Amino acid sequence: DGGITQSPKYLFRKEGQNVTLSCEQNLNHDAMYWYRQDPGQGLRLIYYSQIVNDFQKGDIAEGYSVSREKKESFPLTVTSAQKNPTAFYLCASSLGTVLDEKLFFGSGTQLSVL
Amino acid sequence: QQQVKQSPQSLIVQKGGIPIINCAYENTAFDYFPWYQQFPGKGPALLIAIRPDVSEKKEGRFTISFNKSAKQFSLHIMDSQPGDSATYFCAAATSGTYKYIFGTGTRLKVLA
Repeated sequence: DGGITQSPKYLFRKEGQNVTLSCEQNLNHDAMYWYRQDPGQGLRLIYYSQIVNDFQKGDIAEGYSVSREKKESFPLTVTSAQKNPTAFYLCASSLGTVLDEKLFFGSGTQLSVL
Repeated sequence: QQQVKQSPQSLIVQKGGIPIINCAYENTAFDYFPWYQQFPGKGPALLIAIRPDVSEKKEGRFTISFNKSAKQFSLHIMDSQPGDSATYFCAAATSGTYKYIFGTGTRLKVLA
């Protein structure tokens, strides 16, 4: 089955700790994205990557970092600099740019602060 | 100018009713308008999408109406069912780019 796998489903972060959210896709998609979802605020773009070894900041990149060493993988690190990390994090992928190419989303990771 | 304004925030209808969710945008460079459906604890999934060269698009019980001059588009769900209860997001994007701008979402509840 092709799709996007996010892990873990639930994650807890202690004060001052960095945590990494995993995202893997087997759709052979070039583009991958990280969105943050907060109640009543919709989806906001954190980072996106058009191709391996390249990524761009989205609208709310501060306190986050990413890497794209493999086409299939786009992990997101929530650093201690992100002061309000509690949110539902969604990874997505697309075949290419916006040209009737839909976004495929994973099932998300709920991050909470202890 | 990059915002997409979505309303209402929540909506309750009886089974068989026709909920309508509205979105408005400012950026005239947007030329792709998808709607995504999200069930609790899951990621959103594409429901239907439209380009501004048509005023309406239907897929099953879901219809998008598009008004280019008003810069507005709407989702209509015909003969709504309890299984349609979900959060719906509109979005807008520009061809050739990678950025989608999402609305704030509408939580729909269809009563049995």
